[in-house]
Amino acid sequence: EVQLVESGGGLVKPGGSLRLSCAASGFTFSSYTMNWVRQAPGKGLEWVSSISSSSSYIYYADSVKGRFTISRDNAKNSLYLQMNSLRAEDTAVYFCAREHGRDGYSHYWGQGSLVTVSS
Amino acid sequence: DIQMTQSPSSLSAAVGDRVTITCRASQSISFYLNWYQQKPGKAPKLLIYVASSLQSGVPSRFSGRGSGTDFTLTISSLQPEDFATYYCQQSYSTPRTFGQGTKVEIK
Repeated sequence: EVQLVESGGGLVKPGGSLRLSCAASGFTFSSYTMNWVRQAPGKGLEWVSSISSSSSYIYYADSVKGRFTISRDNAKNSLYLQMNSLRAEDTAVYFCAREHGRDGYSHYWGQGSLVTVSS
Repeated sequence: DIQMTQSPSSLSAAVGDRVTITCRASQSISFYLNWYQQKPGKAPKLLIYVASSLQSGVPSRFSGRGSGTDFTLTISSLQPEDFATYYCQQSYSTPRTFGQGTKVEIK
């Protein structure tokens, strides 16, 4: 059974840092592109970042570029999102999601991890 | 970046109604359009991928059509469990942009 489990969320002050993790199981993690998607309270889904299977291709939304860093450890079946210089507008539930090949859809999602940026 | 525009942003419908949600891309995305259903406090659930392919386990009352820039999601006979928010997403290019969502409410 495919499972994606996020952790690392919490309350952080503006300007602070946080590192999210996503533990993957039930599939060959090293074969898949992985994404982070977030959802601010009461708002829609926003794609945040993407990393290819071997970390060769990395992309960021303009809203987080230069502040967030996506990475993965295929030996540990884990995906990460290092979030620096956090702002109030980064407050959201962060989901990790597995992307399906060239078609790019995400059938498998984690349960989400809440990040709250507030003083 | 490709912009995705959904309409309507919300709708009220009764059980048994036929419901259609539209998604328009700012440029051609071929058939790389996916539909998700999300209920409060839950992760999105994939319904339709590459415009018209029904995800395994999703009821056949859900269907998707379209190519290029214009796409639709149709629920042929709305059921109580279908009241949720629906999002389209393009996977033609990165960033993988989402539409703003359509909230389907009970009339």
